[in-house]
Amino acid sequence: GDSVTQMEGPVTLSEEAFLTINCTYTATGYPSLFWYVQYPGEGLQLLLKATKADDKGSNKGFEATYRKETTSFHLEKGSVQVSDSAVYFCALGGTASKLTFGTGTRLQVTL
Amino acid sequence: EPEVTQTPSHQVTQMGQEVILRCVPISNHLYFYWYRQILGQKVEFLVSFYNNEISEKSEIFDDQFSVERPDGSNFTLKIRSTKLEDSAMYFCASTSPAGGSYNEQFFGPGTRLTVL
Repeated sequence: GDSVTQMEGPVTLSEEAFLTINCTYTATGYPSLFWYVQYPGEGLQLLLKATKADDKGSNKGFEATYRKETTSFHLEKGSVQVSDSAVYFCALGGTASKLTFGTGTRLQVTL
Repeated sequence: EPEVTQTPSHQVTQMGQEVILRCVPISNHLYFYWYRQILGQKVEFLVSFYNNEISEKSEIFDDQFSVERPDGSNFTLKIRSTKLEDSAMYFCASTSPAGGSYNEQFFGPGTRLTVL
């Protein structure tokens, strides 16, 4: 079945550092790929998405490119802020179907 | 901005008791979901619901679980006889795909269920 593998956390960075959180997937068909973010005490919010190969999703300075050849969807940000501290989940899914999530990666950004 | 709401935010129950977790999806959405997250683990799909019936369920969603949309606004998850291993954060989500394209699943803030 479908699965998503994320790098283990926590990831601790200083403010303005470059962020990469790796995500690879296994899926049948051509799923859409997502990054969700969970801030402390809150629910899951969609951060960005890509619906087909070579699409780049971007939002709030975060980017991820749907790479079919490497089955990856790595999350990047050029300069993180303290307010980016959260748990980040990579996920895949199809139209109206369930989402399959990775284990989540906790990001802690310090001054 | 419309949002998914869930009540209660925290539910504590004794093993073997029935619990009902409540969700109010976004009003014009058509597809509804329950997910759960055991502490420190991944978010797992439980069930999806469309047109007043279950459209897909996971192996976790056994006979102890049921879902209902009793009044056109609420979407509930019932656990008939809770077990210790049901302790988790339960998330409700909704979406409204249009024209075959994927639309975002909007998640509620979750209900933390603690089974003692």
